[in-house]
Amino acid sequence: GDSVTQMEGPVTLSEEAFLTINCTYTATGYPSLFWYVQYPGEGLQLLLKATKADDKGSNKGFEATYRKETTSFHLEKGSVQVSDSAVYFCALSALGNYQLIWGAGTKLIIKP
Amino acid sequence: DVKVTQSSRYLVKRTGEKVFLECVQDMDHENMFWYRQDPGLGLRLIYFSYDVKMKEKGDIPEGYSVSREKKERFSLILESASTNQTSMYLCATSGGLYEQFFGPGTRLTVL
Repeated sequence: GDSVTQMEGPVTLSEEAFLTINCTYTATGYPSLFWYVQYPGEGLQLLLKATKADDKGSNKGFEATYRKETTSFHLEKGSVQVSDSAVYFCALSALGNYQLIWGAGTKLIIKP
Repeated sequence: DVKVTQSSRYLVKRTGEKVFLECVQDMDHENMFWYRQDPGLGLRLIYFSYDVKMKEKGDIPEGYSVSREKKERFSLILESASTNQTSMYLCATSGGLYEQFFGPGTRLTVL
């Protein structure tokens, strides 16, 4: 069945470092792909999405490109801030399916 | 903006109690979901509903039931709470096949 694999955390970086959180997926057809973020004590919120191959989603300085050839949707940011400390979830939505398939989440810790 | 509210942010119950968690959305979305979130396990789907009075089991429905009498409200019921149901519970809604919108979560502790 469909699945999402993302890198285990926690990932600890210094402020202004470059961030990559890896996400790969297994799915039939052409799923939509998402990154959600969960700040401490809050629910999840959509960070960015891409609905077809080669699409690039971007928001708040974060980017991710839908790579069908490598079945990946890696999250990147050029210069992280302490306020980016959160848990990041990669997810996919298969065509015609109400549900999202979730990765396990990656905790990001940014030190000043 | 979509607003999803959950009845409590924190809840403490005793083993064997019947527990109700309520979720209300104001965007007329058809689909609603209940998840639990545990460290190292990510999000696991308990139940979802794609219409009033309709429900589908998710990955871990055992020990839970749900009710959706009105479109805007989706309730999760723990018939007899147990300590292994201590968790963060997240409600989400979706108006289509794609993105979901989440409430702030209820952290339930069962003693």
